[in-house]
Amino acid sequence: DVKVTQSSRYLVKRTGEKVFLECVQDMDHENMFWYRQDPGLGLRLIYFSYDVKMKEKGDIPEGYSVSREKKERFSLILESASTNQTSMYLCASSQTGTFNEQFFGPGTRLTVL
Amino acid sequence: QKEVEQNSGPLSVPEGAIASLNCTYSDRGSQSFFWYRQYSGKSPELIMFIYSNGDKEDGRFTAQLNKASQYVSLLIRDSQPSDSATYLCAAPAGDYKLSFGAGTTVTVRA
Repeated sequence: DVKVTQSSRYLVKRTGEKVFLECVQDMDHENMFWYRQDPGLGLRLIYFSYDVKMKEKGDIPEGYSVSREKKERFSLILESASTNQTSMYLCASSQTGTFNEQFFGPGTRLTVL
Repeated sequence: QKEVEQNSGPLSVPEGAIASLNCTYSDRGSQSFFWYRQYSGKSPELIMFIYSNGDKEDGRFTAQLNKASQYVSLLIRDSQPSDSATYLCAAPAGDYKLSFGAGTTVTVRA
């Protein structure tokens, strides 16, 4: 079974802090994704990566950056957290050459005070 | 127009009934479609995918695809309270991404 893990289930940070969210997958997938999910707004893609050190902006990249130094790990960075970044953050991975099906981690509920 | 649209719901059905969820998509070139189930406070879980016209059955779930009409549906037969969740429809968007619908929340009344 594909396993995608995220570093924290719940996280509370203060405005202005630098925040790191980590995601690790164990199935050698090429592609990894970061989404945020808010009530009424659905899943919104922040960034994705299709290879090590490669990244592309999604629909809402402002205020975020990412890092992919190893194939299995994809990090989301909030350079200076703001209250409007309070959300559920979901990481996913997929294999190139399949039907694009994505497998999600358990999510990190981030609260910025 | 969004790439994937779901009927807004919410949908409330009695236990044992059939729940019917619909999804339309705009890209005629889409080849595969996915249904994810998401329990409250949890992450989406892939429950079905379909890439051929017609029906695909897996236990109490049936996915139906009609490429000519550009819709895909999910039927949940003999609905159980444990089926209460939000169901997301998704279709490929480009080489790597998926486009997700907004989701339909299903409540099964005991």
